Amino acid sequence: EVQLVESGGGSVQPGGSLRLSCAASGFTFNSYWMAWVRQAPGRGLEWLASINLDGSETFYVDSVKGRFTISRDNAKRSLYLEMNTLQAADTAVYYCVREDHSTYVVWGQGSLVTVSS
Amino acid sequence: EIVMTQSPATLSVSPGERATLSCRASQSVGTNLAWYQQKPGQAPRLLISGASTRATGIPVRFSGSGSGTEFTLTISSLQSEDFAVYFCQQYKDWPPMYTFGQGTKLEIK
Repeated sequence: EVQLVESGGGSVQPGGSLRLSCAASGFTFNSYWMAWVRQAPGRGLEWLASINLDGSETFYVDSVKGRFTISRDNAKRSLYLEMNTLQAADTAVYYCVREDHSTYVVWGQGSLVTVSS
Repeated sequence: EIVMTQSPATLSVSPGERATLSCRASQSVGTNLAWYQQKPGQAPRLLISGASTRATGIPVRFSGSGSGTEFTLTISSLQSEDFAVYFCQQYKDWPPMYTFGQGTKLEIK
């Protein structure tokens, strides 16, 4: 079964850091671009970052550029999102997604990140 | 950045009726347009890519049309499981800033 499972979410104070992980199974991980998408409570979807097959190219939305880092470990079939200098506006459910011709066919279950003092 | 605008924000339709959802792009995206369905507490699910191609396992009552800046998702005969929030997404931009619309909530009338 094709599956993405996120972990690492939780509560953090403003200015803090968190690292999300995403474990992939059921498909050839190193054959797909991967991405992170988030959804603030009651809001729409926001693409955050994408990474190419070997991790040599990364792309970010302006609102997280310089604060968030996407990375992957193909040997461990895992995707990561390092988040620093977190703000209240970063409170959201974070989804790990597999890119298929630039669309998101496979989604994780989501990991809730809450930034609050 | 390409801005995606969906209308209406909420659409009330009776089961068995047809629903038509709209999505407009701030500049042409060709047919690089996808539609997703999201139910409460669940991750989104891809319905349509390439503006009109149904994803694997998606019922034929879902159809997409349009190109350039104007797109439509039509659900021909609403079933109870179709009441959800629908998002459009463009994927024309490079570097990949694949923006989403704000969503249309399809509710039971």
